[in-house]
Amino acid sequence: AIQMTQSPSSLSASVGDRVIITCRASQDIRNDLGWYQQKPGKAPKLLIYVASSLQSGVPSRFSGSGSGTDFALTISSLQPEDIATYFCLQDYNYPLTFGPGTKVEIK
Amino acid sequence: QVQLQESGPGLVKPSETLSLTCTVSGGSISSYYWTWIRQPPGKGLEWIGYIYYSGSTNYNPSLKSRVTISVDTSKNQFSLKLSSVTAADAAVYYCARRVAVRGYYGMDVWGQGTTVTVSS
Repeated sequence: AIQMTQSPSSLSASVGDRVIITCRASQDIRNDLGWYQQKPGKAPKLLIYVASSLQSGVPSRFSGSGSGTDFALTISSLQPEDIATYFCLQDYNYPLTFGPGTKVEIK
Repeated sequence: QVQLQESGPGLVKPSETLSLTCTVSGGSISSYYWTWIRQPPGKGLEWIGYIYYSGSTNYNPSLKSRVTISVDTSKNQFSLKLSSVTAADAAVYYCARRVAVRGYYGMDVWGQGTTVTVSS
């Protein structure tokens, strides 16, 4: 199975800050990667698909980049409602595998 | 707007079979990959497997010997059975719709999740 790692595991930033979360795959997954946001007690929500495409309805401050093995999720200006845990998911082959998550908090 | 709702017992005894159903409303179960994912308390997400509306399945090898996913298109439902459960199977179980077409891969609709406890 493809292993996914994320960094950092948690971060604290101020409102308005630019936040970058990275995800690395153990092998080339082309651009078959998604980013999900999970707020406490809620189901995950798809933010980004195929590495850089913004899901409908998701604010434009979220963006994704990367291909191959290295990917990034950027929040251009952190908002209080962005407090959540963010997961990457490789959609390249089965079994689908998630990264361990990055918890984002407000400083 | 498509919505998913999980249902089933919240408490399962060790060694017994966990059974959950996901009801799809607001849209047809035709097309798409209907997926189960779980999340143990305080931990990350684990993909369990999917069923395509036609009935083809794919399971996580870590669970494959114990998992069965089925679909009932007449009821717009799909189901999960996990046999011989242990405490390690306690989790929030989510059902989700996965889209997999050229240029779009993702789980775009999720149920709210249902908590399953394993205890005698």
